[in-house]
Amino acid sequence: GQQLNQSPQSMFIQEGEDVSMNCTSSSIFNTWLWYKQDPGEGPVLLIALYKAGELTSNGRLTAQFGITRKDSFLNISASIPSDVGIYFCAGQPRGTGRRALTFGSGTRLQVQP
Amino acid sequence: NAGVTQTPKFQVLKTGQSMTLQCAQDMNHEYMSWYRQDPGMGLRLIHYSVGAGITDQGEVPNGYNVSRSTTEDFPLRLLSAAPSQTSVYFCASRWDEGAGLYEQYFGPGTRLTVT
Repeated sequence: GQQLNQSPQSMFIQEGEDVSMNCTSSSIFNTWLWYKQDPGEGPVLLIALYKAGELTSNGRLTAQFGITRKDSFLNISASIPSDVGIYFCAGQPRGTGRRALTFGSGTRLQVQP
Repeated sequence: NAGVTQTPKFQVLKTGQSMTLQCAQDMNHEYMSWYRQDPGMGLRLIHYSVGAGITDQGEVPNGYNVSRSTTEDFPLRLLSAAPSQTSVYFCASRWDEGAGLYEQYFGPGTRLTVT
């Protein structure tokens, strides 16, 4: 099936620092989504992107749909302890119709107060 | 709106036992799906449904059955549990067409241990 490469796998940062993570694929995607999963909970949708080059913000989070349509980026500014969790990218590959989303393996973020 | 709900939250089974994981959504979403999440493996699709009476296999369907008799409910059945099915199971739903098409919403998960 489709593969999404998400990096980095984990990050340990100080409170107040900015964070960047990304997802890449060898295939073109029609849609990119970013989720956050808190420990013991289900993933929660943060941002959805539908057009190449699109830049969308949700509070301190900003995500971009790469112009090649094969990648997406998530930035978190001025991190705080509650940003701790696992961040997943997900995408809908072009031409897959009703088939399900493809998920990255996640970036585990830890924030030192 | 309760969103996507799952029961039970925790379950321990013995090898060979059967059980059904329940999932319900109140958003009138056509598309519902089941995933399992294992350490280092991310989310893997088990089965999905695009409407009542329509189901299809995902990436890892073996050992699991589903049915969709109503728009709201999408239960997952384990017919004969195996230790390899120890995992966290998530149900999800979304629209199947129109605006916000791929914005998928997850339930809180069922943590299953098979001994």
